[in-house]
Amino acid sequence: DAKTTQPTSMDCAEGRAANLPCNHSTISGNEYVYWYRQIHSQGPQYIIHGLKNNETNEMASLIITEDRKSSTLILPHATLRDTAVYYCIVRGANDYKLSFGAGTTVTVRA
Amino acid sequence: NAGVTQTPKFQVLKTGQSMTLQCAQDMNHEYMSWYRQDPGMGLRLIHYSVGAGITDQGEVPNGYNVSRSTTEDFPLRLLSAAPSQTSVYFCASSYGAYEKLFFGSGTQLSVL
Repeated sequence: DAKTTQPTSMDCAEGRAANLPCNHSTISGNEYVYWYRQIHSQGPQYIIHGLKNNETNEMASLIITEDRKSSTLILPHATLRDTAVYYCIVRGANDYKLSFGAGTTVTVRA
Repeated sequence: NAGVTQTPKFQVLKTGQSMTLQCAQDMNHEYMSWYRQDPGMGLRLIHYSVGAGITDQGEVPNGYNVSRSTTEDFPLRLLSAAPSQTSVYFCASSYGAYEKLFFGSGTQLSVL
């Protein structure tokens, strides 16, 4: 059973913020939300993760709702190089069987 | 650090042939895993390992074998290749379950 639901695709204008939603309504208290992206056919790349609090790093910000049932990945100033498939993953302490769904295909347009 | 290294990058096999996809990491990660990715789809877990000598099956293990004799290496063996195993294969590693995964650059396998 899929633990997360993401839109299939979305477009974003270069230089604007890209807001990528993810629903994880069945998340449990000890499960983290992770985001990865895959550019072209390269191996996926880690972006950010969080448990309850909002997180920010040099790549993106992660906003998790207070009930933890959904989250939003924010790319503050999207560039053409941010065009990729973005995966939202929920992962617990002993969750070794980690698979990636289809993700959201983000296309940044000039 | 080289990170996660996969070899070969490309491989063409005939049905029934066997081969081993290599994966090595130099980050002293305990957790390693193998994924396959079919066109237009996400990554599906084949096998994983939580440490040397310990392996377990993932979502799609049939037709693949693994072993973990050292912390660094986690080879994936195809005993008798089938066209359905045509895919891109990724190896990944992390310190532990909560930690971020590092992926290799992938092996594109075609079985004719």
